[in-house]
Amino acid sequence: EIVMTQSPATLSVSPGERATLSCRASQSVSSNLAWYQQKPGQAPRLLIYGASTRATGIPARFSGSGSGTEFTLTISSLQSEDFAVYYCQQYNNWPALTFGGGTKVEIK
Amino acid sequence: QVQLVESGGGVVQPGGSLRLSCAASGFTFSSYGMHWVRQAPGKGLEWVAFIRYDGSNKYYADSVKGRFTISRDNSKNTLYLQMNSLRAEDTAVYYCAKDPKAGGIPVGYFDYWGQGTLVTVSS
Repeated sequence: EIVMTQSPATLSVSPGERATLSCRASQSVSSNLAWYQQKPGQAPRLLIYGASTRATGIPARFSGSGSGTEFTLTISSLQSEDFAVYYCQQYNNWPALTFGGGTKVEIK
Repeated sequence: QVQLVESGGGVVQPGGSLRLSCAASGFTFSSYGMHWVRQAPGKGLEWVAFIRYDGSNKYYADSVKGRFTISRDNSKNTLYLQMNSLRAEDTAVYYCAKDPKAGGIPVGYFDYWGQGTLVTVSS
């Protein structure tokens, strides 16, 4: 099983600031990595797939980068609606799909 | 627009059974593989199972293999998860989720999710 590790567990950021979230895989997942946003009481929403491709309707302030074992999700200027929990997920090792433990982005 | 609506959750005793349903609309259900993903209260996400668009192949997480069965009825645009021999650790919100690739080999990420249904295993 590929273990996905996200850091930090909690990120405190002021509105308008940049947020940088990290995701590390225990072995290479190539670019087969997705990011999701989850708000309290809601289902996750797909943000990024293929490590860097924004899903339909996702604002340009969200960007993904990385390949292999190191990945980053950047939110360039945090809006109030961006405070949420973010999960990375690898889909390289089919069918053993695995998620990271999540990063909570909270208001500073 | 794509809609996935789960139902069938509830409280069940350890060792009991439950069947979840997921009604799909807004896309050609019979062309896409479908997944179940769960989330224990206050915890992260765990992939549970996948079924190919035509039901010909099914895959399961080790944690549920032999106890859960995924199935689909393309004539009813509905996905199912039969859960047997339930344990306390199966307590979670269960989401159905769509694979983004039509037909053939699935991609393995989730482009649309339902709102989830809560399963509580407790005596």
